[in-house]
Amino acid sequence: NAGVTQTPKFQVLKTGQSMTLQCAQDMNHNSMYWYRQDPGMGLRLIYYSASEGTTDKGEVPNGYNVSRLNKREFSLRLESAAPSQTSVYFCASSDTGGASEQYFGPGTRLTVT
Amino acid sequence: RKEVEQDPGPFNVPEGATVAFNCTYSNSASQSFFWYRQDCRKEPKLLMSVYSSGNEDGRFTAQLNRASQYISLLIRDSKLSDSATYLCVVNRYGQNFVFGPGTRLSVLP
Repeated sequence: NAGVTQTPKFQVLKTGQSMTLQCAQDMNHNSMYWYRQDPGMGLRLIYYSASEGTTDKGEVPNGYNVSRLNKREFSLRLESAAPSQTSVYFCASSDTGGASEQYFGPGTRLTVT
Repeated sequence: RKEVEQDPGPFNVPEGATVAFNCTYSNSASQSFFWYRQDCRKEPKLLMSVYSSGNEDGRFTAQLNRASQYISLLIRDSKLSDSATYLCVVNRYGQNFVFGPGTRLSVLP
């Protein structure tokens, strides 16, 4: 049982480049989330999807777009990367949203130069 | 003020010690509460949910005080393997999870 998988694990981008971070879960969860984690800031929610076909902004959505491709997959796109987007990105999923445990992927370490 | 605040840490304790972490939250509408553990350069993992009546899981005890909007985590008989960052998490049903900044624990031999 793979749980939550993320690709890539590491990425270096130049300012202005674009990329898509992929996330998939095999637990049949309804809700999926994208977070970023910066030193001293804790995890901050970028976007979430409460169910297939819906997406909503979190605390720090600027500079990002998301797609809930199907129930399993939730991707995060950086259209024009900026150094401020250097961070560790975690995808997570949960069964029924607020009352349920979140399961996290291993993270993507992104550096924008 | 951050919605979820935690002891700044780090906590450095000897093996066998008892250590307590505190967390406060500002939104009285928060409905569910959790402690997660995060090892260095790894993803967060659920340590335990926190229930209104308090709950215990082995050496770990969590307490919730809704009136004071305060959550605690007590670790008894600390082990080297308990070294990690502990994240306090709150959620308002139907909305998103809010993570505290974390408190780092180092258990020393």
